[in-house]
Amino acid sequence: SQQGEEDPQALSIQEGENATMNCSYKTSINNLQWYRQNSGRGLVHLILIRSNEREKHSGRLRVTLDTSKKSSSLLITASRAADTASYFCATDVNTDKLIFGTGTRLQVFP
Amino acid sequence: DAGVTQSPTHLIKTRGQQVTLRCSPKSGHDTVSWYQQALGQGPQFIFQYYEEEERQRGNFPDRFSGHQFPNYSSELNVNALLLGDSALYLCASSLVGGLGTGELFFGEGSRLTVL
Repeated sequence: SQQGEEDPQALSIQEGENATMNCSYKTSINNLQWYRQNSGRGLVHLILIRSNEREKHSGRLRVTLDTSKKSSSLLITASRAADTASYFCATDVNTDKLIFGTGTRLQVFP
Repeated sequence: DAGVTQSPTHLIKTRGQQVTLRCSPKSGHDTVSWYQQALGQGPQFIFQYYEEEERQRGNFPDRFSGHQFPNYSSELNVNALLLGDSALYLCASSLVGGLGTGELFFGEGSRLTVL
């Protein structure tokens, strides 16, 4: 079963626009992570935010976490065609494993 | 520094057969996790190995088994293959040492097709 659920399932934007994707989860967490996956390839870690943090930045990425609502958002600013990929949130459960969400497929058109 | 390597990259099996997938973790990592990713879905946690023992297991039948070797490499075995086992199998390594879940480093996966 999936712990997290991303919204929207798919997102299409033009280069230069911002992309926002959301993640909701069900149980208490220690941290939440975002990963990116190019088609059919392995996942690449983007950013980790701990449960006591509310916002974190990394380059063009901005992640927020609201533990009261059990939700997180990933913002990609000034998107590029190379950002086209699937994005997954992942939450740790019992500190021993990461459970991934269903993913958002982002398409950035040149 | 080599990252996570998986083999084979692609394979085709028939129903009822058995398959073994292999994973070498990133240098210095001690924990290996296996995930199954069906087409269009998120990765589903199969199990995790640390210190050559299965430490956590997801909701997968006993047909799925694994092993971790003293050099931290790992194998995933699936017996009595079903059509529904067709998926991308991802190996991820991390340096945990029992201290909690941090960043996972993924291999490129083994794509299994069951006919």
